Amino acid sequence: AQSVTQLDSQVPVFEEAPVELRCNYSSSVSVYLFWYVQYPNQGLQLLLKYLSGSTLVKGINGFEAEFNKSQTSFHLRKPSVHISDSAEYFCAVRVGLTTSGTYKYIFGTGTRLKVLA
Amino acid sequence: NAGVTQTPKFQVLKTGQSMTLQCAQDMNHEYMSWYRQDPGMGLRLIHYSVGAGITDQGEVPNGYNVSRSTTEDFPLRLLSAAPSQTSVYFCASSYSQGSRETQYFGPGTRLLVL
Repeated sequence: AQSVTQLDSQVPVFEEAPVELRCNYSSSVSVYLFWYVQYPNQGLQLLLKYLSGSTLVKGINGFEAEFNKSQTSFHLRKPSVHISDSAEYFCAVRVGLTTSGTYKYIFGTGTRLKVLA
Repeated sequence: NAGVTQTPKFQVLKTGQSMTLQCAQDMNHEYMSWYRQDPGMGLRLIHYSVGAGITDQGEVPNGYNVSRSTTEDFPLRLLSAAPSQTSVYFCASSYSQGSRETQYFGPGTRLLVL
């Protein structure tokens, strides 16, 4: 079964420091990969996505992620974080060929980024 | 463009009551889905639909029903509410093709079952 693992439930980091949020997936077929951000009491918002092509993907708010097929990873990075980046971040994978021949999205359990002044 | 709308925003139910969570989108997206979000468990897929008349089960479908009679609407029905269904529910919709593939999420419905 396909799955997404976010190893860190919480990541504290000082303002202006770099950060990496880790995401690993398990799938035997091609996948599409996504990172979403959720601010308190809001829905999820897309940060970036990997569908094909360049393995380094740039998103909004200065975030980027690198798709590594051999390590089945899609880690999210930002070189310098701001207080406003404090939120919960979710990694997700689109997997195909369900029992009905369609596809679905699987989310990780989330990583709470806490940026300290 | 209103995007994805969900009603109600908050709901309190008693065990055994039924209700319908409404979800609508005005982007002509084929794909719609329902998730529940619980602390430490991320988002778990309840049901999804790839188009009008087509639905399928996700990871946690028990206790929930869906139907998709139009492209715009995808209601989620709780048949007999249980305290274990206390959660935040999110509806999402997306294009399913090409570089436009992105899920757009509604603001959520917070449900408390007593």
